[in-house]
Amino acid sequence: QKEVEQNSGPLSVPEGAIASLNCTYSDRGSQSFFWYRQYSGKSPELIMSIYSNGDKEDGRFTAQLNKASQYVSLLIRDSQPSDSATYLCAVPDDNRLAFGKGNQVVVIP
Amino acid sequence: NAGVMQNPRHLVRRRGQEARLRCSPMKGHSHVYWYRQLPEEGLKFMVYLQKENIIDESGMPKERFSAEFPKEGPSILRIQQVVRGDSAAYFCASSAGLGASYNEQFFGPGTRLTVL
Repeated sequence: QKEVEQNSGPLSVPEGAIASLNCTYSDRGSQSFFWYRQYSGKSPELIMSIYSNGDKEDGRFTAQLNKASQYVSLLIRDSQPSDSATYLCAVPDDNRLAFGKGNQVVVIP
Repeated sequence: NAGVMQNPRHLVRRRGQEARLRCSPMKGHSHVYWYRQLPEEGLKFMVYLQKENIIDESGMPKERFSAEFPKEGPSILRIQQVVRGDSAAYFCASSAGLGASYNEQFFGPGTRLTVL
């Protein structure tokens, strides 16, 4: 069973700053990676998919994948209070997604 | 709205009763996944189904839990004789297929089950 680690504790960032989240995974053969955002009491929302090494940008979000080091990161530029949520990293594991425990981000106005 | 639909959104049951959770996948999706999220814990896979077939139920408890995805109608997750430990948020997700979309899964709003 694949393991996905998100070890950082809650992250507090001032409004307008960059929030940086990291995720490591156990299976070197993993080919696709996902970031989900989950607001308190709500369901996970897919915000980024990345399949190739390097950076992928979508609006204020940038995902960075390094397969050799087995990590994927998410950068949130110009953080807004509406970005305050838990961010989940996920990797396909056979017929399922294996999720990390998530990183809580709090954007302080 | 062609998103994943789940109902009910909130369900309260007393210990020993049955809970039935329903999920309709996104339009065009034929793969359904159920996940459970306990308070302050991560999402845990329960079961993966395609129409009329259970493909992988390795994450589902062997007793009291069952799932189906009939030819017509929504997928149903059924919990018999509920206990307080079953209180959780149950999310359904759907995907277009393993090969077509790299397993991108889209989640429904969830059913929050409370067992009294």
